[in-house]
Amino acid sequence: DARVTQTPRHKVTEMGQEVTMRCQPILGHNTVFWYRQTMMQGLELLAYFRNRAPLDDSGMPKDRFSAEMPDATLATLKIQPSEPRDSAVYFCASGLNYEQFFGPGTRLTVL
Amino acid sequence: ELKVEQNPLFLSMQEGKNYTIYCNYSTTSDRLYWYRQDPGKSLESLFVLLSNGAVKQEGRLMASLDTKARLSTLHITAAVHDLSATYFCAVENTDKLIFGTGTRLQVFP
Repeated sequence: DARVTQTPRHKVTEMGQEVTMRCQPILGHNTVFWYRQTMMQGLELLAYFRNRAPLDDSGMPKDRFSAEMPDATLATLKIQPSEPRDSAVYFCASGLNYEQFFGPGTRLTVL
Repeated sequence: ELKVEQNPLFLSMQEGKNYTIYCNYSTTSDRLYWYRQDPGKSLESLFVLLSNGAVKQEGRLMASLDTKARLSTLHITAAVHDLSATYFCAVENTDKLIFGTGTRLQVFP
C-alpha cells in the first residue's frame, strides 16, 4: 500500500529554533508539493518540485524557509529561525501526471 | 489570480437528506479535484474531474464539472453520519492546486 510518509508527526519547539520536516514521496511519483494548513489561511502551497527540480516556491517566506529534494526519496522543508506564526500543519503531497496524494502531515507548534 | 470559492462554508444536515456543495473558480481550468479531510487527519482524494461535463459517483457522493460555468458540485444523497468531514475542492493551475476554503459538513441523526 504505497503512501506518502512524513516525519516527525508532531513537533513542539521554541521560537528561534531550527525545524526540519521530512517527506518520503510515493515511489515513482515525479512531483512533490509542500502545503501549510492553518485555520485562518486554509491550505497554502509553499513549494513544489518536479523530477527533484524546484519549480515554484513563491508561497514560501524566503528569509526563513527553504525546501530541498536531495534525492528522489526525500524532500525536506526547513524553517530557521522558527516563529510562533509558523505554527500549523505542514503537508507533503506527491503525484504523477496530475493527481496528488497527501501525507499525514507534521503538526508544528512554535512556542 | 485564480480564486476558488466554496459554499456553504458550514453545513449541518439530517441523516437521510440530500444536499449540494458548490465550488466556483475564477479562471479557466480543465481539472478539478475533490478531497475529504477528517478532523486531525490528512486529505483523502475523492474525485478527479478531467473535462467539461464529467460526472463521477462513489457511494452517496456524486461530483460534476461544468468548465464553461466554472462550477463544480458535490452532491450528497441520503446523508449518513460517516460523511461528516470537511470537503475541499481544488482547481489545477499550471501544475499547482488552488484549494477552496472547505465545507465543513456535520450530519446528525
